[in-house]
Amino acid sequence: DQQVKQNSPSLSVQEGRISILNCDYTNSMFDYFLWYKKYPAEGPTFLISISSIKDKNEDGRFTVFLNKSAKHLSLHIVPSQPGDSAVYFCAASVGGSNYKLTFGKGTLLTVNP
Amino acid sequence: DTGVSQDPRHKITKRGQNVTFRCDPISEHNRLYWYRQTLGQGPEFLTYFQNEAQLEKSRLLSDRFSAERPKGSFSTLEIQRTEQGDSAMYLCASSPGVAGAIETQYFGPGTRLLVL
Repeated sequence: DQQVKQNSPSLSVQEGRISILNCDYTNSMFDYFLWYKKYPAEGPTFLISISSIKDKNEDGRFTVFLNKSAKHLSLHIVPSQPGDSAVYFCAASVGGSNYKLTFGKGTLLTVNP
Repeated sequence: DTGVSQDPRHKITKRGQNVTFRCDPISEHNRLYWYRQTLGQGPEFLTYFQNEAQLEKSRLLSDRFSAERPKGSFSTLEIQRTEQGDSAMYLCASSPGVAGAIETQYFGPGTRLLVL
């Protein structure tokens, strides 16, 4: 069963606009969530994370929102840049040691100039 | 560059052959993880080490797979008698390994395996 779901395989936005990537999870034990960005032929690069005790975390152009009651999180990128074009993975873990990440299938973001 | 490194980056082998991959984690990172990513999927957890101890193995890690981290530094992942279904990207990650801390895992570039 897919415990972390990214239901949009792809997203296309214009440069300068907001990109919103969504992620849903089913395991209520998840308490730490991360977003990774992946370019072709490279490993995932850590982007931003959020603990379940928070509902928002911001880092520059990137903001992650967590809605625990809906088991939903989203990544906002403002403003979007062509260099943001990549596959974005949502990941989650259980417990403070977070040794095992469970990933979604990813969303391909294309930012058009 | 002090990131996670993996070798080789690409491997093509024939079915039935054995292959071994190497991962060098970020210096002083105590935890090391192996994941596998197939086309259209996100990375899937295979196993992880705390120093030299292998603490968990996924059911995805069949008997043909073995991982080691003999001195608590680099790790190797060996696949024996490879099958076409083993074709995937094998990713290694590491994290500091501070007890009780919520940690971020940092990934290497991966080893892409193709079994013919």
